[in-house]
Amino acid sequence: GESVGLHLPTLSVQEGDNSIINCAYSNSASDYFIWYKQESGKGPQFIIDIRSNMDKRQGQRVTVLLNKTVKHLSLQIAATQPGDSAVYFCAENDGSSNTGKLIFGQGTTLQVKP
Amino acid sequence: GAVVSQHPSRVICKSGTSVKIECRSLDFQATTMFWYRQFPKQSLMLMATSNEGSKATYEQGVEKDKFLINHASLTLSTLTVTSAHPEDSSFYICSAIEPVTNEKLFFGSGTQLSVL
Repeated sequence: GESVGLHLPTLSVQEGDNSIINCAYSNSASDYFIWYKQESGKGPQFIIDIRSNMDKRQGQRVTVLLNKTVKHLSLQIAATQPGDSAVYFCAENDGSSNTGKLIFGQGTTLQVKP
Repeated sequence: GAVVSQHPSRVICKSGTSVKIECRSLDFQATTMFWYRQFPKQSLMLMATSNEGSKATYEQGVEKDKFLINHASLTLSTLTVTSAHPEDSSFYICSAIEPVTNEKLFFGSGTQLSVL
């Protein structure tokens, strides 16, 4: 079936460096994408979203890039901090059904070294 | 952002008992809520869509008689794990659609269920 997956299971970065987390999706009908951050034992926390009519969106210290041609999504975190250590999930909607359901990728663990 | 409250955060129960988990939207009305399940070091898997005033829609492979969902009001959905067994031990997370965009999902804090 259709799925969203991540290229790297674990990313280790030095504090202060920029982080880039990648995600590949396979459903060409998806038109809405979200990045979530999940800390251990907690629910996912919304970071940033992007619609398919955009290719870039910026938030505070975070940027999401969408490349629909190759079905690729990335999350860039500027000046990574220890508090950014968590698992990051990309998620896509089911663009054909308008149900609000989100399909999650497998997750990337971000480790920030002091 | 929209606040979704989930209780309890942790529950330990004996095999064969039933456990109820509550999910509330605190500052908005949610006609649709979603229940996810997450095993350690794995992603979130959608179990069912909870619809206010109607039956829940279950994903393929999820037993509706095992995981009872009730969405009796616009701010409350409950998930009851009936006759729980050790294999039901998992992290259960609810979410609700934020009403302004009608797309963004906000999540509860999750419930860690441990069945002995």
